[in-house]
Amino acid sequence: DTEVTQTPKHLVMGMTNKKSLKCEQHMGHRAMYWYKQKAKKPPELMFVYSYEKLSINESVPSRFSPECPNSSLLNLHLHALQPEDSALYLCASSQDGTSGGETQYFGPGTRLLVL
Amino acid sequence: QKEVEQNSGPLSVPEGAIASLNCTYSDRGSQSFFWYRQYSGKSPELIMFIYSNGDKEDGRFTAQLNKASQYVSLLIRDSQPSDSATYLCAVGGVDDKIIFGKGTRLHILP
Repeated sequence: DTEVTQTPKHLVMGMTNKKSLKCEQHMGHRAMYWYKQKAKKPPELMFVYSYEKLSINESVPSRFSPECPNSSLLNLHLHALQPEDSALYLCASSQDGTSGGETQYFGPGTRLLVL
Repeated sequence: QKEVEQNSGPLSVPEGAIASLNCTYSDRGSQSFFWYRQYSGKSPELIMFIYSNGDKEDGRFTAQLNKASQYVSLLIRDSQPSDSATYLCAVGGVDDKIIFGKGTRLHILP
């Protein structure tokens, strides 16, 4: 089973709202990733967690706050977003993130629209 | 700056023909190489990964890696209209990251 699930599928929020994106995997993977993808662009890495610890933060604005409650779950908390943050947010997981360049499996994504 | 380059396309291929997608990368230390297929509005789906020089075949797909030339390609045999998508080349190094190319749009002509 190579399934990564994400909720919600779609999200519309105002610039003053607080919302959270959720990601779950049951493949026993110990590395999880958040990506942002704009239309006709490749995915851009935001955060990497390895063994529930934040290992990479690609200088993402603080209005995005990741959280990894356990090895199967990854959240992305959103607060005071801007319209330019509207994008497809992708979660991915891989074996454990320690051996470099591991195969990453993507969830279906959350399409976010900020008004 | 590590870079992964792909021709953005669109690449138009008649149904039943071989589609050839190419990718070059800048970091000689790269260790892992991936091809993802992405339909419009959907998430990337892993098609192939390859770690060693040479060819790797899986069904209608063949990945080819030439580390000396820093070049990786994907061949799709007997192309079908359902193969029409954007194909993302991704390259991994020694850290946790994989670097994506901008993708090649493939259009299979019925």
